[in-house]
Amino acid sequence: GQNIDQPTEMTATEGAIVQINCTYQTSGFNGLFWYQQHAGEAPTFLSYNVLDGLEEKGRFSSFLSRSKGYSYLLLKELQMKDSASYLCAAMDSNYQLIWGAGTKLIIKP
Amino acid sequence: IAGITQAPTSQILAAGRRMTLRCTQDMRHNAMYWYRQDLGLGLRLIHYSNTAGTTGKGEVPDGYSVSRANTDDFPLTLASAVPSQTSVYFCASSDSVGSNEQFFGPGTRLTVL
Repeated sequence: GQNIDQPTEMTATEGAIVQINCTYQTSGFNGLFWYQQHAGEAPTFLSYNVLDGLEEKGRFSSFLSRSKGYSYLLLKELQMKDSASYLCAAMDSNYQLIWGAGTKLIIKP
Repeated sequence: IAGITQAPTSQILAAGRRMTLRCTQDMRHNAMYWYRQDLGLGLRLIHYSNTAGTTGKGEVPDGYSVSRANTDDFPLTLASAVPSQTSVYFCASSDSVGSNEQFFGPGTRLTVL
């Protein structure tokens, strides 16, 4: 079957760095996505990886290892506004997104 | 309109009633999607449309139907609502199937009693 695993909740301190891990199993693979979702709002796109390695975009970076079925999202210089859920999703061979349940990130002052 | 809109924002519905959730985008995207989001579960795809005039079933299509008469609109209909359809429903669109970004509407919170 198809499955995405990520931690349910994480806590970090303002100004620190946090890494959110995601493992995936899909029928075929056409990329790994990270979305941010604030409470009561719609998901918004953060990053897309299809090749192995690290993609950096400002304070956020995303890493992919296709051989390990593994990705992580790295958030640096954490701000209170980064408190949100982070959704990992893998695109399968039918170009449909398979979503994880999301990781709720709590930022403490 | 800017982006993708959904209506209504929220709705309380009696079981057995028919309900249509509306979704409109002005980005001229070819692909559109309907997801439901439930606590503790990931977004689950209900139906999708790769282009106007075509639709397909996602992971959880039972009890739902869609149509795609034109590029902009993608309504989702619950023919006879049941309490298990209580959820937050998100419509999304992308330039094409397999695009590296889906844009989401603000969601519709539906409660079926």
